[in-house]
Order: sequence, then C-alpha cells, then structure tokens
Amino acid sequence: GPKVLQIPSHQIIDMGQMVTLNCDPVSNHLYFYWYKQILGQQMEFLVNFYNGKVMEKSKLFKDQFSVERPDGSYFTLKIQPTALEDSAVYFCASSQLGSAETLYFGSGTRLTVL
Amino acid sequence: QQQVRQSPQSLTVWEGETAILNCSYEDSTFNYFPWYQQFPGEGPALLISIRSVSDKKEDGRFTIFFNKREKKLSLHITDSQPGDSATYFCAASPITGNTGKLIFGLGTTLQVQP
Repeated sequence: GPKVLQIPSHQIIDMGQMVTLNCDPVSNHLYFYWYKQILGQQMEFLVNFYNGKVMEKSKLFKDQFSVERPDGSYFTLKIQPTALEDSAVYFCASSQLGSAETLYFGSGTRLTVL
Repeated sequence: QQQVRQSPQSLTVWEGETAILNCSYEDSTFNYFPWYQQFPGEGPALLISIRSVSDKKEDGRFTIFFNKREKKLSLHITDSQPGDSATYFCAASPITGNTGKLIFGLGTTLQVQP
C-alpha cells in the first residue's frame, strides 16, 4: 500500500538544540499531520497542514514547534529549542482527502532529548 | 481524561482462538471508529473501521461489533494466528467536520501463542 517515510528513525539531541524531523508523504496526498506518542501514553494529534498552512493544532503544539513543506519536498516538524518533555515518538501521516478514513502513517521518529 | 479507552492492556491467546479487544468512548459526536494494527518498529496501519450507523463490520477474520447506546465497540479476531501478534489501537473521529484528527486509545498488545 501507500508508504509514508520518516527520516531518521531515531534521533538523539541535547536539550536546547534544534531538531528537524522529516517526512516524505504519499505522493498524491495533500494533507499532512504530525502525531506525538510519549512512552506508555496514547498517540496524540499535534497539527495538520494543507496548502502551505496550519489548519488545526492541539495544545501540545507549543510555540517552539513549527511545520512546513518547502517546494513540495519533505514535510517537516522543527522544534527549537528542544526540551526534555519533547522526548517521544513522532508519527507523520498524510491523507489524500483530509479525512480520517484516508490517513496513512509513517513508522515514526523516536526523539530522545538529553 | 481519556476520551477513548481500551481493555485489556494486554491479551494472550492460543493460535486458533478468538481474541476480543474492547474499546469505549466518551464523546457522542464520534461516529467513525478505525482500528489500527501496529507491529514493533512500524507505524500504525488501518486494519478495519466502522461508522456509527452500523452495528457490525466484518473483514475476513476481523469483525467490529458496535453498540452506540453504550458507546462501546469491540474487535474480534477469529482463528488467531501468531502473525496477528501486534498492538491494536482503537481510535475515534467525528465524521462531520472531519479533518483527519483522530483520538486514540492506549492500545491492546495481543500475543498469539502457537
């Protein structure tokens, strides 16, 4: 089936540094999402993005977070500066129609902030 | 407060048995319920889903039973196979105004013993 690729699979950084998580969505999809899963907790919606804009964000999407998809390439999540509580697995998802029925998830990037 | 609850947290069955995974929800506006299957190191993949206008959805060995009045649903996996060993997430979304934002449960980890 369609694949969403996430790079890297694991990233370790020091607190206060900047990190960029990359997502290569399904080629004809137009809607993009980030979800966050802290160890032992449920996966939670962070943000969705369409036509170059953030459509909706949750309270977990702090001011230090930003998303973009420059020139139709990777869909990225940038955290600057990082905090210890940002340690989690971040899942990217994409959708053709912007609906839950058509969501495809990547395998996640495990972010460890030291 | 979790809006989507799953039980049990973990479940072990023998090959050939029926595994029953339970899910309940709080918000009466939820009317789309997908179940995702996740193997270690991979992202969640849509397994089967149901809309609240139905009380049953079947796809091969996987069946969702839905009780709108009690706000409960369950996933039945008949003739369980060792390859079904995975974590299963119940999720929910309102169809109306559906932006692809899903509310996830904590998951049930299923182990099928050969």
